[in-house]
Amino acid sequence: GAVVSQHPSRVICKSGTSVKIECRSLDFQATTMFWYRQFPKKSLMLMATSNEGSKATYEQGVEKDKFLINHASLTLSTLTVTSAHPEDSSFYICSANALLATEIQETQYFGPGTRLLVL
Amino acid sequence: SQQGEEDPQALSIQEGENATMNCSYKTSINNLQWYRQNSGRGLVHLILIRSNEREKHSGRLRVTLDTSKKSSSLLITASRAADTASYFCATEAAGNKLTFGGGTRVLVKP
Repeated sequence: GAVVSQHPSRVICKSGTSVKIECRSLDFQATTMFWYRQFPKKSLMLMATSNEGSKATYEQGVEKDKFLINHASLTLSTLTVTSAHPEDSSFYICSANALLATEIQETQYFGPGTRLLVL
Repeated sequence: SQQGEEDPQALSIQEGENATMNCSYKTSINNLQWYRQNSGRGLVHLILIRSNEREKHSGRLRVTLDTSKKSSSLLITASRAADTASYFCATEAAGNKLTFGGGTRVLVKP
């Protein structure tokens, strides 16, 4: 199957610092990756669509200057939370589209998530 | 409000029983997918049903889709303690973007 990894799995930082989260497709190439945010016991909210070689597309209400996305290669997308504040504490999950030989339609494969706590 | 709304929000059953959860959505879709999430983990894709399909099976999972009612159901038969997780439906429209429902937390008691 298609494996997506995230690093780090959890991070604690002080208010005002910036945090970078990496999302990698390990055994396939992904021209499109997605970044989601999830609050405790809540659903996933799509933040942005990350496109390799071009600018990310942000969902309404998501500050692009706050959440910087870079998709520099076909296997790596990064999300940087700039000047993080306690309200940015959340579970951030990425996903990548893959079309496996055993399937007839692209499916999103999700990373294990990164838990961010801003003190 | 979210595209997908799930019902019930939480479900507690005994091992061996069946678990049924429902998902409703508002707009036209290309397909509807179900995912499982264990606490604090990422999502695992369970099953995808296309808009022109009405029912699909995968192991102990059975998914139905009624596009006229804009609803879907997920049935887990003969549940096991390992099925304890949150289950989310997600609708896919144009651009491969997924919109998730609120989720159903399932607790299977041994």
